[in-house]
Amino acid sequence: NAGVTQTPKFQVLKTGQSMTLQCAQDMNHEYMSWYRQDPGMGLRLIHYSVGAGITDQGEVPNGYNVSRSTTEDFPLRLLSAAPSQTSVYFCATLTGGETQYFGPGTRLLVL
Amino acid sequence: KQEVTQIPAALSVPEGENLVLNCSFTDSAIYNLQWFRQDPGKGLTSLLLIQSSQREQTSGRLNASLDKSSGRSTLYIAASQPGDSATYLCAVFSNSGYALNFGKGTSLLVTP
Repeated sequence: NAGVTQTPKFQVLKTGQSMTLQCAQDMNHEYMSWYRQDPGMGLRLIHYSVGAGITDQGEVPNGYNVSRSTTEDFPLRLLSAAPSQTSVYFCATLTGGETQYFGPGTRLLVL
Repeated sequence: KQEVTQIPAALSVPEGENLVLNCSFTDSAIYNLQWFRQDPGKGLTSLLLIQSSQREQTSGRLNASLDKSSGRSTLYIAASQPGDSATYLCAVFSNSGYALNFGKGTSLLVTP
């Protein structure tokens, strides 16, 4: 039982490049979400999904796309990276309003 | 919009002291409140979850209380140890949404 896994652990992009941050879970949780963590800002919700085929925006969705084709996977796509998207990204799952489980994070640097 | 505030932002104590971390939130219509620990460069580890109907939860040397009416929670750490050094985050899961609203955290340093 690996819990929540994220890849890559670290990535450097140039402005305008695209990439996909991967998130996978093996706990069969319906709810998955993406947060970004910035110094002095705390964690902020980007997008979330309450099940396969259902996604919605969080507090800071601009510049990010998501889709949820399976229960296990919830990838986050940056279509055209900007320096303002330099951050640490966390994927999390939740079941029935109980404890949230976080992945180890992906550190992204956009030059 | 739910606002979560944590005080103090940073705290340094000698080993063995008992300490209290504070968390306040503006909207009392919460589903639950959760305390997390984050070590430098790492992800978040859940410490305690308090449902809105509960007053407190305990795990080992940790005790978290919840007063919904006043919009406050405290995390009590007994007999602190250097291994407790980390950032502690408070997060509220509101009735109206699907996301945790996080405070900015308290950075704790326990010195030997």
